[in-house]
Amino acid sequence: AQKVTQAQTEISVVEKEDVTLDCVYETRDTTYYLFWYKQPPSGELVFLIRRNSFDEQNEISGRYSWNFQKSTSSFNFTITASQVVDSAVYFCALSDPDNYGQNFVFGPGTRLSVLP
Amino acid sequence: GAVVSQHPSWVICKSGTSVKIECRSLDFQATTMFWYRQFPKQSLMLMATSNEGSKATYEQGVEKDKFLINHASLTLSTLTVTSAHPEDSSFYICSASAGKRSYNSPLHFGNGTRLTVT
Repeated sequence: AQKVTQAQTEISVVEKEDVTLDCVYETRDTTYYLFWYKQPPSGELVFLIRRNSFDEQNEISGRYSWNFQKSTSSFNFTITASQVVDSAVYFCALSDPDNYGQNFVFGPGTRLSVLP
Repeated sequence: GAVVSQHPSWVICKSGTSVKIECRSLDFQATTMFWYRQFPKQSLMLMATSNEGSKATYEQGVEKDKFLINHASLTLSTLTVTSAHPEDSSFYICSASAGKRSYNSPLHFGNGTRLTVT
């Protein structure tokens, strides 16, 4: 069965701190895709990144970076020098081709609060 | 970039009435659209997969007759909540993918519809 776990329900940091959001996934398939989405208070889901299972290179985009480790089935997301605008719920998701009909499996989300 | 438009963004209706929510892909053809439901402080739960020109596939526990889905064109899917009740109050969000085998394409989401049934 496919499953995404985000153990941190809520995190609070002070502005300019670095913060890492954890994501652990379970899948039996060798080909899969991992995603991170941001959901600000307004509700829309903002796509942040997609990573396929064959690409374990870490990625950096501005203040955002992602650490994909197949050995531990983790796809962690780090925000450097956090800002108040980063406050949102962040979802990690898994897309498994064997479950095309169900498509995405979302984790429970981590609510990040960045305090000024 | 790809844009998915969802309308309305919020709606309040009386118990027993029906509400239609539209999901449009604005700059790409979406052969598949997905409808999710999100309860407060919870994750997104897939309700159904909408395929253009064919019947929607509903997840276990989702009532087909209550949540009618129509995917009449490659750019439009609608979700109708029939005979709405207060327990149907929730945040409904649609998504669409430009890929036929959409598992490897990033999902583009609408802005969601907050439904309140009084």
